[in-house]
Amino acid sequence: GDSVTQMEGPVTLSEEAFLTINCTYTATGYPSLFWYVQYPGEGLQLLLKATKADDKGSNKGFEATYRKETTSFHLEKGSVQVSDSAVYFCALNLANTGNQFYFGTGTSLTVIP
Amino acid sequence: GAVVSQHPSWVICKSGTSVKIECRSLDFQATTMFWYRQFPKQSLMLMATSNEGSKATYEQGVEKDKFLINHASLTLSTLTVTSAHPEDSSFYICSARARTGPQETQYFGPGTRLLVL
Repeated sequence: GDSVTQMEGPVTLSEEAFLTINCTYTATGYPSLFWYVQYPGEGLQLLLKATKADDKGSNKGFEATYRKETTSFHLEKGSVQVSDSAVYFCALNLANTGNQFYFGTGTSLTVIP
Repeated sequence: GAVVSQHPSWVICKSGTSVKIECRSLDFQATTMFWYRQFPKQSLMLMATSNEGSKATYEQGVEKDKFLINHASLTLSTLTVTSAHPEDSSFYICSARARTGPQETQYFGPGTRLLVL
């Protein structure tokens, strides 16, 4: 079935370090891929998305490239800040299933000064 | 941007009582709303999908008589947890898909934390 597997956390980094959170997917069709972020005590916010292969989504210094050949959508940021501390969810969405979302288990990131 | 609100944000209730959670799209019309449940340190699990004016579609394993969903208008969906028990304690999140715009985009509410004593 359709699913998302993402790197388990928690991840702790020093400020200005490089971040990678791995995400791979399994889908029967051609999904759209997303990264959502959940700050403490808040709901999910869309961070970035890519709707077709080779697309790169980017926002707030984060980026992820839709790789069909490796079925991956890894999240990267070159220099993290304390304010990036949150839980990050990779997700996919398929039009042929009514745009139902499938989420990964989330990766908690803590950035220390 | 599109905003989805949930009310209440926190609720504590006694076992056996019913709790209603509201999900509203504040600045757009939502043809479809989704209800998710999130356990601590786990991912969101889709419970049901509701379309305005029709019955909700429940995911396998979700009791439709226990989790009543009503999507009365294009801006409001409610989830009622009936005869709540401690195992229903969880974080409930709704999302809404706008009537216009990219169909793959959903806007999430801030969530409602339910604690059943």
